[in-house]
Amino acid sequence: DTAVSQTPKYLVTQMGNDKSIKCEQNLGHDTMYWYKQDSKKFLKIMFSYNNKELIINETVPNRFSPKSPDKAHLNLHINSLELGDSAVYFCASSQATGQETQYFGPGTRLLVL
Amino acid sequence: AQSVTQPDIHITVSEGASLELRCNYSYGATPYLFWYVQSPGQGLQLLLKYFSGDTLVQGIKGFEAEFKRSQSSFNLRKPSVHWSDAAEYFCAVGATGAGSYQLTFGKGTKLSVIP
Repeated sequence: DTAVSQTPKYLVTQMGNDKSIKCEQNLGHDTMYWYKQDSKKFLKIMFSYNNKELIINETVPNRFSPKSPDKAHLNLHINSLELGDSAVYFCASSQATGQETQYFGPGTRLLVL
Repeated sequence: AQSVTQPDIHITVSEGASLELRCNYSYGATPYLFWYVQSPGQGLQLLLKYFSGDTLVQGIKGFEAEFKRSQSSFNLRKPSVHWSDAAEYFCAVGATGAGSYQLTFGKGTKLSVIP
């Protein structure tokens, strides 16, 4: 069974479109995260949710809106996509918001044309 | 705020040779330290972690890492590299910043293995 899954795996779209990426974890974890990995492979946290409540919201354009319908899901919606949004987006989860290990999904490769 | 430096962007080793990947961190207290590996086109897999206790930690796939507080380092080692170890390796520090716990990653070290 996949612990942290993301859909879609690849996403190619035009500038200005709106798209969503879905994430689900079956580990029973309370906390979920979104990370962005840029073309230089640098990973940076974007958001973190604990029990459906937003706890980390880094400096991210408000075109990005996370939504957590329940603690097993954390979706990322992106409005008005720009070329600079092209990246790999990783979802992760952990037991709680402390020092627990984070487990990562396989990533969603977004290409904006 | 915490930070992580991986000084080597790219390392090439021959199969069977030993490996050491360097990681230095900056944080005011004892951090939680992690090494993750990312194979091409894949997600991140946890290799090992250090929270407390024995400063030499063993991980999966024959990797180990040693926490050295005096040097603010957490270097990753493997005695004999296999071709399948070719991947990107990320060191990360987990710490509380701005009121919440988060992982801060280094920029990664790409490992190439010569058969």
